[in-house]
Amino acid sequence: KNEVEQSPQNLTAQEGEFITINCSYSVGISALHWLQQHPGGGIVSLFMLSSGKKKHGRLIATINIQEKHSSLHITASHPRDSAVYICAVPIFGNEKLTFGTGTRLTIIP
Amino acid sequence: GAVVSQHPSWVICKSGTSVKIECRSLDFQATTMFWYRQFPKQSLMLMATSNEGSKATYEQGVEKDKFLINHASLTLSTLTVTSAHPEDSSFYICSAVPGLFTDTQYFGPGTRLTVL
Repeated sequence: KNEVEQSPQNLTAQEGEFITINCSYSVGISALHWLQQHPGGGIVSLFMLSSGKKKHGRLIATINIQEKHSSLHITASHPRDSAVYICAVPIFGNEKLTFGTGTRLTIIP
Repeated sequence: GAVVSQHPSWVICKSGTSVKIECRSLDFQATTMFWYRQFPKQSLMLMATSNEGSKATYEQGVEKDKFLINHASLTLSTLTVTSAHPEDSSFYICSAVPGLFTDTQYFGPGTRLTVL
């Protein structure tokens, strides 16, 4: 069993749809990262959160520490949001991150 | 925001040669940098932890004599793939931690290595 699991693995949606990507992890953590990887490979840190909710533009990340679960939401999705979204957590209690397998999101115009 | 750069962004080399990849934190000091490798359609895998002024800590299964890591300053870490082989072809990504007592990591754009 992977220590960090994401769902769905692939998601295709129409432009404008509300998107939800889920991440579950198996151990207690101090913080969770959401990353975006574009087709060229470059990675951008979207959020780091340890409780509650964070919002940046059309992106919203929530985390429930008790349930060991986080969600990434995209409102009014746009084709430029097409990318792989990865959650990552410091499983071993330090800075070393363990990554989920990613969710490949495709937004169709 | 904090920026981490990598150079080169892509490199093609012949089998048996060595390739050096640089990771720089441009506007902050990073006592710790991480090196990751990503094969196609797979997740990132941590290769090693690089600490300024000390030897890198390698993950299980990563050959330290093949992947040489040097963290000579608080803004630069280098990964040298020695005697590269086609199976070393991958996407190499670094991340940098700004200071101590933080969970924040800033990721570099990655370097795509192709070994012929």
